[in-house]
Amino acid sequence: QLQLQESGPGLVKPSETLSLTCTVSGVSISTSSYYWGWIRQPPGKGLEWIGNVYYSGSTYYTPSLQSRVTVSVDTSKNEFSLMLTSVTAADTALYFCAGGIGLFMDVWGKGTTVSVSS
Amino acid sequence: QSVLTQPPSVSGAPGQRVTVSCTGSSSNIGAGYDVHWYQQLPGAAPKLLIYGNSNRPSGVPDRFSGSRSGTSASLAITGLQADDEADYYCQSYDSSLSGFYVFGTGTKVTVL
Repeated sequence: QLQLQESGPGLVKPSETLSLTCTVSGVSISTSSYYWGWIRQPPGKGLEWIGNVYYSGSTYYTPSLQSRVTVSVDTSKNEFSLMLTSVTAADTALYFCAGGIGLFMDVWGKGTTVSVSS
Repeated sequence: QSVLTQPPSVSGAPGQRVTVSCTGSSSNIGAGYDVHWYQQLPGAAPKLLIYGNSNRPSGVPDRFSGSRSGTSASLAITGLQADDEADYYCQSYDSSLSGFYVFGTGTKVTVL
C-alpha cells in the first residue's frame, strides 16, 4: 500500500532555507508513473499547490513561488524533497507531500508543520 | 489567490442534500480540464473524494457525487451525516500562468 511520510525541521529562521523530505513506501519512485508534489496550508487557510516532480525528473512549480522553490527526487532513497529559499513568516504552514497518476493527488502524507520565526 | 471560487460555507440537517459549487474560467474548468474534489476532516490531511469530475475512488460512498458544466463544477452530498462535516476543496489544471494545479478556495460543510 502506497504511503507517504514527511520529515524535516519544524522551525526555520527568516531568510533561511526550508527543506523537507517525503519518504515513499509501497511503490518505487523510479518505476511508477506518479507525479510527486508538495502542497501547503497556512494556519486557518486553504490549500496551495507548491510544485510537482515527475518520476523522470521533470518539474512544475506554482508561478508565485517559482523563483524560490526546488522539488527533486532521489530514486536511490525512494524519496522526494522540497527546498524553499529565503523564507518569511508568510511561509509558515502545514506542508503536505502527495502523489498521483493523473492530474490529481490520490495519496497524501499526514503533513508536517513548519514555522518561520527567529 | 485561488482561481477557483467556492462558497465559504454550506450547511444542512442530517439526511438532507447539500451542494458545493466550484467556479472557474476559460483557462481551467471552461477549457475542459477535469475537476477533482478533496475532503479534509478536522486535523487531517486532504483525502481524494471525486476524480475526473464524477468518479469515486474505491471506498468513497455513493452519497458523494460530482459534475462539471461550462466553467463550473459541483459536489453533491446526499443523506448528509455528522461525519461529513469537513472542508471540501475542488482542484483542476490551469493553462494560464496560475499554475499546473489550482485549488478552490474551500468550503466548510456544517451538519446542523
